[in-house]
Amino acid sequence: AQKVTQAQTEISVVEKEDVTLDCVYETRDTTYYLFWYKQPPSGELVFLIRRNSFDEQNEISGRYSWNFQKSTSSFNFTITASQVVDSAVYFCALSRNSGGGADGLTFGKGTHLIIQP
Amino acid sequence: DGGITQSPKYLFRKEGQNVTLSCEQNLNHDAMYWYRQDPGQGLRLIYYSQIVNDFQKGDIAEGYSVSREKKESFPLTVTSAQKNPTAFYLCASSSALGGKTQYFGPGTRLLVL
Repeated sequence: AQKVTQAQTEISVVEKEDVTLDCVYETRDTTYYLFWYKQPPSGELVFLIRRNSFDEQNEISGRYSWNFQKSTSSFNFTITASQVVDSAVYFCALSRNSGGGADGLTFGKGTHLIIQP
Repeated sequence: DGGITQSPKYLFRKEGQNVTLSCEQNLNHDAMYWYRQDPGQGLRLIYYSQIVNDFQKGDIAEGYSVSREKKESFPLTVTSAQKNPTAFYLCASSSALGGKTQYFGPGTRLLVL
């Protein structure tokens, strides 16, 4: 069975601090995709990144970076120099079966990130 | 603008009533999905459809029904058999190309009177 664990229910930091959101996954598939989504208070999920299981390169996009480690089944997300606008709930997700996500995603329970001014 | 629309934003259901949530996309995506989100929880898959006139049950399909008569539309009906329907419902779509990243609509919040 697939599972995504986001052990941090809530994180609160002061603006400009760096923060890392953890994601650990379980799957028996050899090919799979991992995702991060942001859910601001409005409720809509905003896509941040997609990574396939063959690509373990870390990725950086502005203040955001992602560390994918297959050996520990982790796909962690770091925000550098956090800003108040980063406050949201962040979800990690895993593609179901070998469909690459075409048959839905398995989500973690999310991490509520609070950036205090 | 291309995107996914869901209506209504808020929906109230009386006991024993069926209600239908609308989801429309103009992204020309083949696949569409319905998820349910409860407070403090992640999203759980209700139904998905990879092609017109075909759909599959997700993890929590009981008490729900869907149809996919058009590529652009994937309405979700919450039936009276769903005993705990109060939740936030999110619709998503993805292309068969582009690695199947799912893009989400703004959601519908369903409340029981």
